[in-house]
Amino acid sequence: GAGVSQSPSNKVTEKGKDVELRCDPISGHTALYWYRQRLGQGLEFLIYFQGNSAPDKSGLPSDRFSAERTGESVSTLTIQRTQQEDSAVYLCASSHTPGQGVHEQYFGPGTRLTVT
Amino acid sequence: GQNIDQPTEMTATEGAIVQINCTYQTSGFNGLFWYQQHAGEAPTFLSYNVLDGLEEKGRFSSFLSRSKGYSYLLLKELQMKDSASYLCAVRLTNSGYSTLTFGKGTMLLVSP
Repeated sequence: GAGVSQSPSNKVTEKGKDVELRCDPISGHTALYWYRQRLGQGLEFLIYFQGNSAPDKSGLPSDRFSAERTGESVSTLTIQRTQQEDSAVYLCASSHTPGQGVHEQYFGPGTRLTVT
Repeated sequence: GQNIDQPTEMTATEGAIVQINCTYQTSGFNGLFWYQQHAGEAPTFLSYNVLDGLEEKGRFSSFLSRSKGYSYLLLKELQMKDSASYLCAVRLTNSGYSTLTFGKGTMLLVSP
């Protein structure tokens, strides 16, 4: 079946504008994660969804960042009033309900966001 | 807080063996993952350890010692295509749900 997909693959936006990033997880995966990866850095956890609820939003860097998930499938990450420091690759991953066992996360190709 | 350490960069020669170490100080440990990430691509799953010991999968092996908060990824018979970043990630289970915390990654450069 299809893997995790994300759109757009690249986004260039002006400082102060809002952007919306989309993630389509693997069908049947109840868990969905958003990460941010700055150039040359590791993955920074942003938010975790189990079904449509978000039990862990601890990684969202500010109130300009929000995310939602509908129908236990598609998720959108919204960044309002973008700043240059928001420039990064935003990665989405999905998995079966995490817990015991492997339940590895499958990553999408990412959205490269550039704020000018 | 959670802390995961791994070397920033390593170099090795084609055909050789390389060991990438990862140390962690976390609470709620529920498994350790290694991912491979080629430049400009998404991370892909390599291995998972939850019990102490060695897990072997072809040219790649991963080791875990929970008492020492230590893991390593061993790559044998290195190939040029193994040049990539290798990410150590700890699965944490708190309040009934699990998330992954990643280290900054180790960039491995394989030379001819």
